[in-house]
Amino acid sequence: GNSVTQMEGPVTLSEEAFLTINCTYTATGYPSLFWYVQYPGEGLQLLLKATKADDKGSNKGFEATYRKETTSFHLEKGSVQVSDSAVYFCALSDDDTGNQFYFGTGTSLTVIP
Amino acid sequence: DTAVSQTPKYLVTQMGNDKSIKCEQNLGHDTMYWYKQDSKKFLKIMFSYNNKELIINETVPNRFSPKSPDKAHLNLHINSLELGDSAVYFCASSPTLVSGNTIYFGEGSWLTVV
Repeated sequence: GNSVTQMEGPVTLSEEAFLTINCTYTATGYPSLFWYVQYPGEGLQLLLKATKADDKGSNKGFEATYRKETTSFHLEKGSVQVSDSAVYFCALSDDDTGNQFYFGTGTSLTVIP
Repeated sequence: DTAVSQTPKYLVTQMGNDKSIKCEQNLGHDTMYWYKQDSKKFLKIMFSYNNKELIINETVPNRFSPKSPDKAHLNLHINSLELGDSAVYFCASSPTLVSGNTIYFGEGSWLTVV
C-alpha cells in the first residue's frame, strides 16, 4: 500500500542553519509528492510539489527532489529563518488510489534567533 | 476571497451534544475532504466526496456523518460527542481525482469536548 515516512521531530535550529527533513515513501503506482507547511493556528498550505521522478520542487528557498531510486523526497533549505518555524508534512497522491492523499506524521521545526 | 472556508473556527461543547461543522469551497473543485488532526499533529482522512458522491469513508464511528448538498459544500455532523472527539477538523478540496492535483485546506475547526 501507500505510505509516507518522515523524520521524527521536533527539530530545533539556529537562524541561518541548514535544514533537512527526510521523507521516504512507498507507493503502488507513480505518485506525486508534496510538502505542506502548517504555521501555528493555521491550516496546511502547499509548500512545493513534484509530479514525476527527478523533478525538483522549490518555493520560498525550500527545495525537494523526487528520487525514485531511493523513494525519497527530502526537504532542504540552505538558511532557515525564525519565520520558518512550523510543522512540515510530506505527502503523496497516487492515481491508483483515486488521488487519495497520504500524509506523513509531520515534523515540527523551531528556529531560534 | 477565502478558498476553503469552514465554520466555526472554535467550538467548545459538552459530551453528548450534537454539533455540525460547515465547509464551503469557491474554487470550483470536484473533490472535498474531511481530515482530523490530533494533538500530536497526526492527520487522518475521514471522508472524501467527489461531485457529491462518497468516495472514501475511513474507519470512523457512525456518529460522524458527512453531508454534501452540492459539490461546493461538505458539512460534518457529529452526534453524541465524546471526549476523544476533541481535535482539529480540516476541510479540504482538490480539482479532480487525478494524481498531482494540489489539495487546498481550510483553516481548521478546533473542537473541544468537555
